Amino acid sequence: DTAVSQTPKYLVTQMGNDKSIKCEQNLGHDTMYWYKQDSKKFLKIMFSYNNKELIINETVPNRFSPKSPDKAHLNLHINSLELGDSAVYFCASSQVDLAGNTIYFGEGSWLTVV
Amino acid sequence: AQKITQTQPGMFVQEKEAVTLDCTYDTSDPSYGLFWYKQPSSGEMIFLIYQGSYDQQNATEGRYSLNFQKARKSANLVISASQLGDSAMYFCAMRESGAGSYQLTFGKGTKLSVIP
Repeated sequence: DTAVSQTPKYLVTQMGNDKSIKCEQNLGHDTMYWYKQDSKKFLKIMFSYNNKELIINETVPNRFSPKSPDKAHLNLHINSLELGDSAVYFCASSQVDLAGNTIYFGEGSWLTVV
Repeated sequence: AQKITQTQPGMFVQEKEAVTLDCTYDTSDPSYGLFWYKQPSSGEMIFLIYQGSYDQQNATEGRYSLNFQKARKSANLVISASQLGDSAMYFCAMRESGAGSYQLTFGKGTKLSVIP
């Protein structure tokens, strides 16, 4: 069983479209994240949700809207896609009560905007 | 200021040799965790090893060990007996406590290439 699963793995879409990436974790964790990895491989936090509540919202355009229907799911919806949104998006999860709790990542979703 | 610094964009190592990947960090939080992740060309992020700020001993996991020097704020990853499958990007990351526990902050990564 995959601990953190995200779909789709690959997504090619045109500018201006709206798309969603789904994420689910079966680890019983209370916190989920979305990270963006750019073309230079730099990983940056976008959002962090704890028990379905938004905790971190880094300087991300409001075209990006996360939705957490329950603790095990955190979906990412992107409106009006732009070329610069092309990246790899990673979902992740962890328990947050200790700094030492490991964050586990999904396999990534490769988004290409053309 | 960068919280995690990895100064080696790329490294080469001969198969079966040991290699050290550098990582320095910056925090004023007394409680924090340091992590290393591996990202092979297939793209997934694989957790390798963890070191807590209060841990007295250096962490080890199989061929991976973490050379933790708290006073120098460094957490270097040592891979012993390199294998071809170790060729990948390696990321150092830090998680602080309190509000900082809600994210991992990553370095820019080191690309390791293992030469046969």
